[in-house]
Amino acid sequence: DQQVKQNSPSLSVQEGRISILNCDYTNSMFDYFLWYKKYPAEGPTFLISISSIKDKNEDGRFTVFLNKSAKHLSLHIVPSQPGDSAVYFCAVRQETSYDKVIFGPGTSLSVIP
Amino acid sequence: DTGVSQDPRHKITKRGQNVTFRCDPISEHNRLYWYRQTLGQGPEFLTYFQNEAQLEKSRLLSDRFSAERPKGSFSTLEIQRTEQGDSAMYLCASTKLNFGGTDTQYFGPGTRLTVL
Repeated sequence: DQQVKQNSPSLSVQEGRISILNCDYTNSMFDYFLWYKKYPAEGPTFLISISSIKDKNEDGRFTVFLNKSAKHLSLHIVPSQPGDSAVYFCAVRQETSYDKVIFGPGTSLSVIP
Repeated sequence: DTGVSQDPRHKITKRGQNVTFRCDPISEHNRLYWYRQTLGQGPEFLTYFQNEAQLEKSRLLSDRFSAERPKGSFSTLEIQRTEQGDSAMYLCASTKLNFGGTDTQYFGPGTRLTVL
């Protein structure tokens, strides 16, 4: 049973427009949320994170929104650039379990020039 | 390059053979993790070390799998009697323990295993 779901396996967006990637989780005990980006032949790279005490965190073109009541988070990329084309993984962690990060299945983003 | 490195990058083996992978974490990082990623899935946690101590193992880690981190620096993951179902990308990650709860895991490029 997947604890982290990313229901869109793929997403195509025009360059300059907004990309919105969604993620749902099942366990309300999760209290730290991360997004990783992965290019082919490379390991995942940390992108941005948010603690459960916040509902928004912004870093340049990347913003993560957290809706705890809905157990939903999203990653907004604006404006999207061709270099953003990659697989994006949503990941969750529980404060009492610093060691274990649970990843979603990923969404493949293609930004079309 | 001061990132996480893994060796080899690719390994093709025949069913029943043993394979060993190596991970060199970022030098000051005391926690090291192994993950497995199959096609269309995110990385799945296998095990982790704090210094040389192996603190947790996933039930995904069958008896054929063993991991070590003998001196608290590099780690090895061995798979004995490989099966076709072991074909996957094996990822290593490291972090520095931070009780603030914001320790980011840095991943290596992975070792892609193909079992024929």
